[in-house]
Amino acid sequence: AQTVTQSQPEMSVQEAETVTLSCTYDTSESNYYLFWYKQPPSRQMILVIRQEAYKQQNATENRFSVNFQKAAKSFSLKISDSQLGDTAMYFCAFMKATQGGSEKLVFGKGTKLTVNP
Amino acid sequence: DTGVSQDPRHKITKRGQNVTFRCDPISEHNRLYWYRQTLGQGPEFLTYFQNEAQLEKSRLLSDRFSAERPKGSFSTLEIQRTEQGDSAMYLCASTPIREQYFGPGTRLTVT
Repeated sequence: AQTVTQSQPEMSVQEAETVTLSCTYDTSESNYYLFWYKQPPSRQMILVIRQEAYKQQNATENRFSVNFQKAAKSFSLKISDSQLGDTAMYFCAFMKATQGGSEKLVFGKGTKLTVNP
Repeated sequence: DTGVSQDPRHKITKRGQNVTFRCDPISEHNRLYWYRQTLGQGPEFLTYFQNEAQLEKSRLLSDRFSAERPKGSFSTLEIQRTEQGDSAMYLCASTPIREQYFGPGTRLTVT
C-alpha cells in the first residue's frame, strides 16, 4: 500500500516571500502521478499542480513549482511571491497509474499554510 | 462551466438515523469517486464508479454504507444506522481521467 507523509502540520510565510512545503511518499510502483491540492477555508479542494513520475522535468504552474526527487521519494511544493489568497490547507496526493482501473488518490494529512500581510 | 455539486452541504442527524447524500459530477466525466475527510486528516478513498459500475470499494465502506450511480450520471451515498464515528466531510470527485475535480462536500454531524 502507498503512504504519503507531510511532516509540517502548519507553516506561515510573509506576503511576497517564498515557502516550501514538504511531502514524502512510499510506493513500490514505478508508474504513478503526484499532486498538490489546495483546500481554502470552507471551500472546495482544487488542483494546484501535477507531476508524472516518468518525467524528469519538474512541473511548474505560474508561482507554483515542485521539486520531484524520484529516488528519494520526495515531492515538495514551492510557492513564490506568496499571496494572501494562498492561505489554505495543502494536501500532497499519490495516484497509481492504471490501465482503465480505479485511480484513487492517497492523501497526506495536509499542511496548513498561513500567509501573513 | 458547472463544477461538481453536492447536496446537502450540511447534515445534522441523530445516531441511528439513515442519511443520503447526492453528488452531481461534471457532465462529461465518466469516473466518480467518494472520499471521507475527518478533522485534521486528508481525504480517504471510499468508492469508485466508472459510468454506472461500482468497481472498487474501500474497507472503510462498512455494510452500513451503500453507493449507487444509476445511469452513470449523479451518485448517491447512503449511510444506514449512523454512528458518531460517521461524523465527517464526505467529498465527491469526478474526472474523465487523472485530474479529479472535487465538489464542496457534505459535512455530516451525528449527535
